[in-house]
Formats: sequence, C-alpha cells, structure tokens
Amino acid sequence: DGGITQSPKYLFRKEGQNVTLSCEQNLNHDAMYWYRQDPGQGLRLIYYSQIVNDFQKGDIAEGYSVSREKKESFPLTVTSAQKNPTAFYLCASSISHQGAGYTFGSGTRLTVV
Amino acid sequence: SQQGEEDPQALSIQEGENATMNCSYKTSINNLQWYRQNSGRGLVHLILIRSNEREKHSGRLRVTLDTSKKSSSLLITASRAADTASYFCATEYYTGANSKLTFGKGITLSVRP
Repeated sequence: DGGITQSPKYLFRKEGQNVTLSCEQNLNHDAMYWYRQDPGQGLRLIYYSQIVNDFQKGDIAEGYSVSREKKESFPLTVTSAQKNPTAFYLCASSISHQGAGYTFGSGTRLTVV
Repeated sequence: SQQGEEDPQALSIQEGENATMNCSYKTSINNLQWYRQNSGRGLVHLILIRSNEREKHSGRLRVTLDTSKKSSSLLITASRAADTASYFCATEYYTGANSKLTFGKGITLSVRP
C-alpha cells in the first residue's frame, strides 16, 4: 500500500541534542512538507520541498533543518537552537505543490526531557 | 498567520444527527480543503473545493464555498460515533510557482452513541 511513514512514533530529546525525524513516502509525490502541531493549535509549516535537492523555509523554520536528497525521503532535524521543540510533528506529501490534497504521515511526538 | 478560522471550536451531537462546521478566511484563495484528525494521528484529506465551485459532495460529506462571504461549511449527514475527531479547514493560495496551504485551529466533534 502506498503512503507516508514517519518514525519514530515517540522521541525523547535531551537539552542540547540534535534529533532527526524520518519521513518516507512511496506515493511518487514531488512535494513534501513538515508541519508542527501544538495542543489546541492548527498546523504550522516548518519547511517544504517541491522537488529533489530543493527546499524552502516555511513560517517557523528557525531551529530546524531538512534535506531532500531522494524523492522518497524528507528528514527533519530539530537542532539545539530550537528552544521549545516539544510538539507533534507531521510530515505530508502531495502530487504537486499546487491544487492537490496532502497525504499525511501518522506523526512523531517529540518531548524534551 | 493562520487564515482559516473554524466555528464552533467544539461540537457535541447525538449519533444520527447532522453536524455542521464553518470556516471563515480573510484573503483570496485558490481552493479550500477539509481534513480530519483522529486523536494522536495524522490528518486525512476529506475534500477539496476550488474557488470557482460552490458545492461539492463526497459520500456523507457536503462542502459549500461562498467566496463573496469568504466562508465555507462542512456538513456531515447521519453522523456516526466513528466521526468523532478534529476537523480542520485549510486554505490554499498560489502565485506563480509558490503556494501556501494554511490551516485553522480545528473543530473538535464528539458524536455520542
């Protein structure tokens, strides 16, 4: 079955650590996205990529980094510069960057300990 | 900034009743989308309505769009306990190669058996 796989489901980070969240899709979608969701809030866009080897900052990119070396993969690194990283992170993809619905992964819950 | 604002914030109905959820937005859009999120999971795309469309149906879902009032509504008919979830509207606006999908804060729907 085609879809998006996020791993791990739960992640714990110590202060000062960088952590990487995995996102893989086998839908052959060109565009991929990372969103952050805080309790009672909507989704806020961190980074997006329309095509391999290209990505753009979203609304809250500070403290995060991404890469898009393969069409199927769009990992997100939460760096130590992100001061409030505890949140639910959602990866999504779409067949094109415009006018198409998004397919979401099941999310990674990151907690700072 | 978040463009779509859903109303009400929470809705509780009896199984079999209809559920109506509203979304208002502030600026021009190319399309409006509705998503469902079960607790602790990713979002699921329900329906996309383009700015030149007024009404769209998908199974028990009916979406309307009034661009003059900058508002949309999602109607779920004959609700079921399994419809219990959070529902988000998202507005998309694109110019040239750029596109932005902006989510509201969501509506929590509880369907009582």
